[in-house]
Amino acid sequence: EAGVAQSPRYKIIEKRQSVAFWCNPISGHATLYWYQQILGQGPKLLIQFQNNGVVDDSQLPKDRFSAERLKGVDSTLKIQPAKLEDSAVYLCASSLDWYEQYFGPGTRLTVT
Amino acid sequence: EDQVTQSPEALRLQEGESSSLNCSYTVSGLRGLFWYRQDPGKGPEFLFTLYSAGEEKEKERLKATLTKKESFLHITAPKPEDSATYLCAVQAAENTDKLIFGTGTRLQVFP
Repeated sequence: EAGVAQSPRYKIIEKRQSVAFWCNPISGHATLYWYQQILGQGPKLLIQFQNNGVVDDSQLPKDRFSAERLKGVDSTLKIQPAKLEDSAVYLCASSLDWYEQYFGPGTRLTVT
Repeated sequence: EDQVTQSPEALRLQEGESSSLNCSYTVSGLRGLFWYRQDPGKGPEFLFTLYSAGEEKEKERLKATLTKKESFLHITAPKPEDSATYLCAVQAAENTDKLIFGTGTRLQVFP
């Protein structure tokens, strides 16, 4: 079974630029999550989708971050404009049931 | 506020030297406690889910236990390939599936 796919794996941008990340979940997984992991910290949930709908985006900085999940499969996370403090690994996860989330390899973002 | 604290931050072990990692938590109604392994440059890899106090789960050299306030990840006779960061997370009994993670324990096992 293929795992969660993410691209790109690495991205370097200057502050105030925009960036987008892509995620393809495990086939059949209705729930998709985006987490932010700052160096030395545990992942922090940014947004959770159930099929096409948003379940939880309480920790998403909505003035600069946006996410969508079209057709209940792939998802994109966008940052516009980026700040230095957005440097982190952005992890996508998916799940079939609440008790087991599977993570992708992540996208490492460096904002200079 | 729901919170997870892991200790120690880092642990160096000789191959074969057994030890335990601690995860203490405060949560408004525990739905599940999760252990993940994370290798450098990779996403977290699921290990265990524990649901209630007294529960234990094992996988190879790893054994996870749960009480009402904390969880332990016991590593028996570790090998160098067990070197990784071990993350603990909790899920509260709310409407979302949000995992609240600790900062992890970085384990290094030397031959």
